[in-house]
This record gives sequence, C-alpha cells and structure tokens, in this order.
Amino acid sequence: NAGVTQTPKFRILKIGQSMTLQCTQDMNHNYMYWYRQDPGMGLKLIYYSVGAGITDKGEVPNGYNVSRSTTEDFPLRLELAAPSQTSVYFCASSTGTGGFLAKNIQYFGAGTRLSVL
Amino acid sequence: KNEVEQSPQNLTAQEGEFITINCSYSVGISALHWLQQHPGGGIVSLFMLSSGKKKHGRLIATINIQEKHSSLHITASHPRDSAVYICAVRSVGASGTASKLTFGTGTRLQVTL
Repeated sequence: NAGVTQTPKFRILKIGQSMTLQCTQDMNHNYMYWYRQDPGMGLKLIYYSVGAGITDKGEVPNGYNVSRSTTEDFPLRLELAAPSQTSVYFCASSTGTGGFLAKNIQYFGAGTRLSVL
Repeated sequence: KNEVEQSPQNLTAQEGEFITINCSYSVGISALHWLQQHPGGGIVSLFMLSSGKKKHGRLIATINIQEKHSSLHITASHPRDSAVYICAVRSVGASGTASKLTFGTGTRLQVTL
C-alpha cells in the first residue's frame, strides 16, 4: 500500500539552484496538494490541483510552480531557490474536498526536508 | 490572531495519564480534522468530525460547534503516543470551490515511562 510517495526525503540546495520535488499517489485521487511546514507554524498550502491539467494557487505560491499532467503525479518546482524556502514540504491527496464527507480526508506523504544555503 | 489556536503548545505526561489537547477556531467550518505527526515527520489523519464525538481505540475527539472548540483526548497514554497533534479546520467554501484547510501550529506531546 504505497499511498502518497514523495522524493527525495532530504535535499540541500545552494541559493539560485532549481529542483523538483516529486509526488505520486496510487489511490486514483482527484485532488492533490502541496504544503510547507515551517518551524512553529501550521502547514501552509502552496498549490493544489483538482484533477489532471488543473492547478490553482494556495496561500503561499510565490517562488513555486506545479503541473498535473496525470492523475498520479503532482511535482512541485522551485526555480531559483532562496533561503526563505527552507522548510519541510508535504504532498497530500484526497478523493474530494469541501463539506463533511469521508472522501475529504487527506492522505499525506512522508515529507521532503529542504535546506537552502 | 490565528484562525486556529491550539493549547497547550507542549505537553509532557507520564505513561497512563489522561491527556487533553484543545483546539479553538474563529471561522465557520464544515469539518474539523485531527492529525498526528510522527517524530519522523509523517502525518496521519486521526479524525474528521463536524459534531458530537468520535472514538477510535484510546483516542476520543469532541467538538462543540456553538463554542467553536474541539478537544482530543488520549486515555491511558503510552510513550508511543508521543507525537505532534495538529488541528485543522475546513472553512465553509462557496459551492463548487475547493474549500481549504487551515492548520493549527500543533501540540507536541511527550509521554514518559
């Protein structure tokens, strides 16, 4: 039962470098999300997707890009890494969203710890 | 003021103690989630509720919609319960939109022998 898989688990970047955080889910979920978790702060939504080909900005999208070419994959791209992007990144997926329905439970990946130096 | 406030921020308990973690929110919600973040970082959903009480093993979650407050209780706590417990609320979104989750900052629980 793979669920939501994130790679890599850890990464150190230099300022200005770029990288892609990978996220794959095998539950055929329509909705996928990228969050960042900073020390002492709640998770913040970066981008989300409601299905293949459809993405939208969350609360903190600046400095990131996403794509959703398939239902399974939702990569997060950092083009010019900055120290402010040092964080732990979580990908999540769900069947649905909105309201009180069991399908709205989000399943999380194990996280990617990123340091930008 | 954050939309979701948790208390306490840190909690240390001895094995066997009854534990309560509180969550207060300031917006209208359609659902409230409790999640557990393991020391290794992984996040697991524990409960989703919109009224009353839910129980799963030694975990109990309650919500009072009028008071905009929820509690997570752990009975007969054990060191393996040591984790960060996060409250998140799903705001009432417009029809057809993806309403977002707003997360609290978490309560770090340490249960000792």
